Amino acid sequence: EAQVTQNPRYLITVTGKKLTVTCSQNMNHEYMSWYRQDPGLGLRQIYYSMNVEVTDKGDVPEGYKVSRKEKRNFPLILESPSPNQTSLYFCASRILQGAGTGELFFGEGSRLTVL
Amino acid sequence: GNSVTQMEGPVTLSEEAFLTINCTYTATGYPSLFWYVQYPGEGLQLLLKATKADDKGSNKGFEATYRKETTSFHLEKGSVQVSDSAVYFCSKNTGNQFYFGTGTSLTVIP
Repeated sequence: EAQVTQNPRYLITVTGKKLTVTCSQNMNHEYMSWYRQDPGLGLRQIYYSMNVEVTDKGDVPEGYKVSRKEKRNFPLILESPSPNQTSLYFCASRILQGAGTGELFFGEGSRLTVL
Repeated sequence: GNSVTQMEGPVTLSEEAFLTINCTYTATGYPSLFWYVQYPGEGLQLLLKATKADDKGSNKGFEATYRKETTSFHLEKGSVQVSDSAVYFCSKNTGNQFYFGTGTSLTVIP
């Protein structure tokens, strides 16, 4: 089954304690991206990657890091989480094709609370 | 800049009512346009899409037409069902970035 898998689905942590949210896709998609969803703000792009070792900032990258060492994986790293990073996070992937017509495939989300 | 503006919710309708959720976008380049739906506790999934002006996307009775002249992509359904209760997101894709509206929550009551 084609899917995007995120872990953990739920996490409560404390300020400053490094954490990683993993994302894996089994569709051989080149493009992967991370979003945060906040009430009244919709989804905002944090980082995206067009292929292995190619990453770029989205609209809200501050406080986050990513890496793309393998095509299927795109972890989101919070080196020193703060309460304003409490949010619902989504990983998504899509095939890279011309004219940007490919839709995104989303994971089920990771709800992060930073105390 | 790059933005997507969609109708504020929440929207509550009776079963079989007509639905419209408005969406407008900033016209940067030649974006592809999408509607995604999010059911409770799940990730977003594609509902429909349109990749160029005057294209009509349709799926599960929902429709939206890419209107370049009004920079709009309004979502419509002629007769909603209780199972359509969800949050709907309008989205635009330009190059490698995606932009989303704030989401419109729809509740359909029997």
